[in-house]
Amino acid sequence: ETGVTQSPTHLIKTRGQQVTLRCSSQSGHNTVSWYQQALGQGPQFIFQYYREEENGRGNFPPRFSGLQFPNYSSELNVNALELDDSALYLCASSGGTGSSYEQYFGPGTRLTVT
Amino acid sequence: GESVGLHLPTLSVQEGDNSIINCAYSNSASDYFIWYKQESGKGPQFIIDIRSNMDKRQGQRVTVLLNKTVKHLSLQIAATQPGDSAVYFCAVRSGSARQLTFGSGTQLTVLP
Repeated sequence: ETGVTQSPTHLIKTRGQQVTLRCSSQSGHNTVSWYQQALGQGPQFIFQYYREEENGRGNFPPRFSGLQFPNYSSELNVNALELDDSALYLCASSGGTGSSYEQYFGPGTRLTVT
Repeated sequence: GESVGLHLPTLSVQEGDNSIINCAYSNSASDYFIWYKQESGKGPQFIIDIRSNMDKRQGQRVTVLLNKTVKHLSLQIAATQPGDSAVYFCAVRSGSARQLTFGSGTQLTVLP
């Protein structure tokens, strides 16, 4: 098990609503990346936060936004939910004093939009 | 941008046999490659990685081979066990945030 935790584990929302997902990074890691994994697909990069600043973004609209806090935990916010937002949302932390390349994934939050 | 493709969406092997999962990538500037294993209901789990200045790396029962000439990556699992049944993803690091681009995954099934 990695030290990355995510909450909640499952969530059901209605189209048009807003959702906030949370991630606690592994101890000592200062970088958090968020990925969306649709059923049967590989994870797709949403964005990355490094020391509380957005450090890069994938091909996702602005209604996907995030935050990173001083303790390096992070939130992913999605506004105006659409049916296609139904997916497993993964966060990964990296950047510890050991190998800075490895990204350690949490168990994910399963979001269902109805 | 980067694109990553896996050659086979599914692979079935007999317990005890060796497994080989293949992956192709598009960006010759990619410098870091990782294999992940994902079991049902869990996040991807790191298996092994390789940097672009290497062509082979071995771990416990796993070997990753990198052929930069043809932009091909493979994962070999020796003496495959039932616990190896999972979806395997290759991921390639690129971009300004050094983000990972994943392939679509190969479902490995180990037959008794």
